[in-house]
Amino acid sequence: NAGVTQTPKFQVLKTGQSMTLQCAQDMNHEYMSWYRQDPGMGLRLIHYSVGAGITDQGEVPNGYNVSRSTTEDFPLRLLSAAPSQTSVYFCASRPTGTGSGNTIYFGEGSWLTVV
Amino acid sequence: AQSVTQLDSQVPVFEEAPVELRCNYSSSVSVYLFWYVQYPNQGLQLLLKYLSGSTLVKGINGFEAEFNKSQTSFHLRKPSVHISDTAEYFCAANSGGYQKVTFGIGTKLQVIP
Repeated sequence: NAGVTQTPKFQVLKTGQSMTLQCAQDMNHEYMSWYRQDPGMGLRLIHYSVGAGITDQGEVPNGYNVSRSTTEDFPLRLLSAAPSQTSVYFCASRPTGTGSGNTIYFGEGSWLTVV
Repeated sequence: AQSVTQLDSQVPVFEEAPVELRCNYSSSVSVYLFWYVQYPNQGLQLLLKYLSGSTLVKGINGFEAEFNKSQTSFHLRKPSVHISDTAEYFCAANSGGYQKVTFGIGTKLQVIP
């Protein structure tokens, strides 16, 4: 199993540009999510999905869009990049079958800089 | 709302010394608690978790944590650290549904040779 795979690992964007961070998992997990990690703020949930066709907002959704057309894929779109979106982004997945005690599996991270 | 507090943002410790990383959570009827580790330029991976039962939980790489309900704490300990333990450690809590995971801000453990 590859686990959770994110691409690209590094990206530099100009203010106003759009881009998509790709995320795929091969563990057949129903739940997938995107976090951003900023110094002194830990991990903050951007969007999540509990299955194909179902998405919802997390703690910091503004400026981001997601879709879930398949169980495997959960791309994150930056609609019009802003310097405040400079961060490290993590995709994660989790099985839901036995509830809240399940382990979350993280991707390796995507380092995004908006200039 | 659920909250997780990691009291120390950075903890320097000499190699082979013991270490404790502190974590407190907001009280809940039932809560699942986790410690994740993030090595430099990598994603987070699970160290250990408390679901129920014994309050002392053992994890990978010699780490253990103790669940203390009365003090709402879940401190992480290791009796003797190694250089390779240098990383950032995140405490997390989950109650009220699998999507409601709250992470602490992280504690950077720096092991000094």
